[in-house]
Amino acid sequence: SQKIEQNSEALNIQEGKTATLTCNYTNYSPAYLQWYRQDPGRGPVFLLLIRENEKEKRKERLKVTFDTTLKQSLFHITASQPADSATYLCALGNTGGFKTIFGAGTRLFVKA
Amino acid sequence: DSGVTQTPKHLITATGQRVTLRCSPRSGDLSVYWYQQSLDQGLQFLIQYYNGEERAKGNILERFSAQQFPDLHSELNLSSLELGDSALYFCASSEGSDPSYNEQFFGPGTRLTVL
Repeated sequence: SQKIEQNSEALNIQEGKTATLTCNYTNYSPAYLQWYRQDPGRGPVFLLLIRENEKEKRKERLKVTFDTTLKQSLFHITASQPADSATYLCALGNTGGFKTIFGAGTRLFVKA
Repeated sequence: DSGVTQTPKHLITATGQRVTLRCSPRSGDLSVYWYQQSLDQGLQFLIQYYNGEERAKGNILERFSAQQFPDLHSELNLSSLELGDSALYFCASSEGSDPSYNEQFFGPGTRLTVL
């Protein structure tokens, strides 16, 4: 069955460093991959979408890579700030099917 | 504030009961999505409506049903509730029907507790 794996352990980093989160998937060939941010008790907020034919995408301090051979996406936050502390979810989807599959998320803590 | 509203914020009910969750999408959005988030299952896609019609179906139980009304608000009905249905239920909306081209905006969620 389709499976998405994100680091279940929380990631603790120091302010100013780059945070790197991983999303691996199996038994799936997604047409696109999305990253969301979720704060406790609140709904997810869309951050970035990258398509299968794109290797990398950037938005301000965020960078996403997508390797369909390794079946992996990396999500980077550069110059991290305590305000970046949240849970980050990756999600996969296929065009036509319209069903989005979410990973369990990785909790990020940025210490001042 | 995403512009998506959900009511109620909290709901406490007993096993076997039926509840209705309500969602109003952002102004101009035609798609509504429903998701369930529990501690052990993560965020699960339930169902999507676009302009009143069912567009995609995910892991929605037969005890659950949804609809989208002509004014585009949507309701999720949960019946014969079980303890395992306790979760956060999110509604999201987008302008178009294809989530690969249309950003989804999530509401604040309804926390359902089944006792």
